[in-house]
Amino acid sequence: LAKTTQPISMDSYEGQEVNITCSHNNIATNDYITWYQQFPSQGPRFIIQGYKTKVTNEVASLFIPADRKSSTLSLPRVSLSDTAVYYCLVLKTNAGKSTFGDGTTLTVKP
Amino acid sequence: SQTIHQWPATLVQPVGSPLSLECTVEGTSNPNLYWYRQAAGRGLQLLFYSVGIGQISSEVPQNLSASRPQDRQFILSSKKLLLSDSGFYLCAWSVALRKAFFGQGTRLTVV
Repeated sequence: LAKTTQPISMDSYEGQEVNITCSHNNIATNDYITWYQQFPSQGPRFIIQGYKTKVTNEVASLFIPADRKSSTLSLPRVSLSDTAVYYCLVLKTNAGKSTFGDGTTLTVKP
Repeated sequence: SQTIHQWPATLVQPVGSPLSLECTVEGTSNPNLYWYRQAAGRGLQLLFYSVGIGQISSEVPQNLSASRPQDRQFILSSKKLLLSDSGFYLCAWSVALRKAFFGQGTRLTVV
């Protein structure tokens, strides 16, 4: 399983765009990059997943360069409710059989 | 739509007592099922996963066991709890897609 590295914490203000970058230098050909969001005392919630280039949904965008050794989760115009821990994972077809790192704690301030 | 139920939400148990946490999934068939544990302020640690009835794989040696008596039921058990078993336990499921869906978790405190 590919190891990921993320910043431990980030601060932002309401209305700003937040970019969280994840390094995964040993990503394999069959690996997909997946991001989860977790609020205190709740299970992680799937945000977005991608293989290469750019993926966008109603919540976020995911940017993946050509070498796929890193990825950036972009949250547009964050609000206080986006304060949470964000996890980056790379995984093959067995989605749950993966190791979560410590994630990035995002704190959005008013 | 698919849903996952996990209970109880919180549990306080004395050291040496048994444990049984249950997880059920609705709206899907033959899901992969998982049990994770999360220590305070840390990421999730995979404990067990199952690809079918009666098929259990353990990722970490520990004081816990898992069983899958039915297709959409996953149970986490212990015969004698230790203080170190305290934590936030999460059940998850996935089917084919490269993403997992998590339950709301059980906060276990062993005293």
